[in-house]
Amino acid sequence: EVQLVQSGAEVKKPGESLRISCYGSGYTFTSYWISWVRQMPGKGLEWMGRINPSDSYTNYSPSFQGHVTISADKSISTAYLQWSGLKASDTAMYYCARHDGVDMDVWGKGTTVTVSS
Amino acid sequence: QTVVTQEPSLTVSPGGTVTLTCASSTGAVTSGFYPNWFQQKPGQAPTSLIYSTSKKHPRTPARFSGSLLGDKAALTLSGVQPEDEAEYYCLLYYGGALLPYVFGTGTKVTVL
Repeated sequence: EVQLVQSGAEVKKPGESLRISCYGSGYTFTSYWISWVRQMPGKGLEWMGRINPSDSYTNYSPSFQGHVTISADKSISTAYLQWSGLKASDTAMYYCARHDGVDMDVWGKGTTVTVSS
Repeated sequence: QTVVTQEPSLTVSPGGTVTLTCASSTGAVTSGFYPNWFQQKPGQAPTSLIYSTSKKHPRTPARFSGSLLGDKAALTLSGVQPEDEAEYYCLLYYGGALLPYVFGTGTKVTVL
């Protein structure tokens, strides 16, 4: 079964660093892109950026460029989303999703990130 | 800034038919945008229903269908079931490196 398994919920303080993960199983990890999607409380879906795990090529939405970093370790079939200085406005659910470029077919269950002093 | 617009909310009776649309601020939506449609129920992750305008996954119920309607992408639910009550999002592919993907604003479908 194809799955994306995301890391657990996080509670952090403003200014702290954080890395969340997305582990792909049941398929060849390097054959699909991984995108990260944000959903703020009660709001819609926002595409943040993507990575090609085979060569770590990344694209970022201008809205997130410079504030997050997307990376991947293909040896362990895992993609990451990280922040170096969290803000309260980063409080949201974050999803990873695999796609072949045009079909975003499998999603992780999401990681809740809460940033509060 | 590119905006993809959907109806905020639609109401349909059980067994009825409803069509959701997905419009781009850049102009007509064509098959080259490879429209995707997702369903999200409260507290759950989105699930993919339709990709490349009208293609279905094996798990997609037959009552869901995708198409182009005028200058928009469309998702039609025929023979609506109570369990179809959910939020629906479209996704358009713009290509390029700057902002290749944009989600729609979402449509809340109520079955009443």
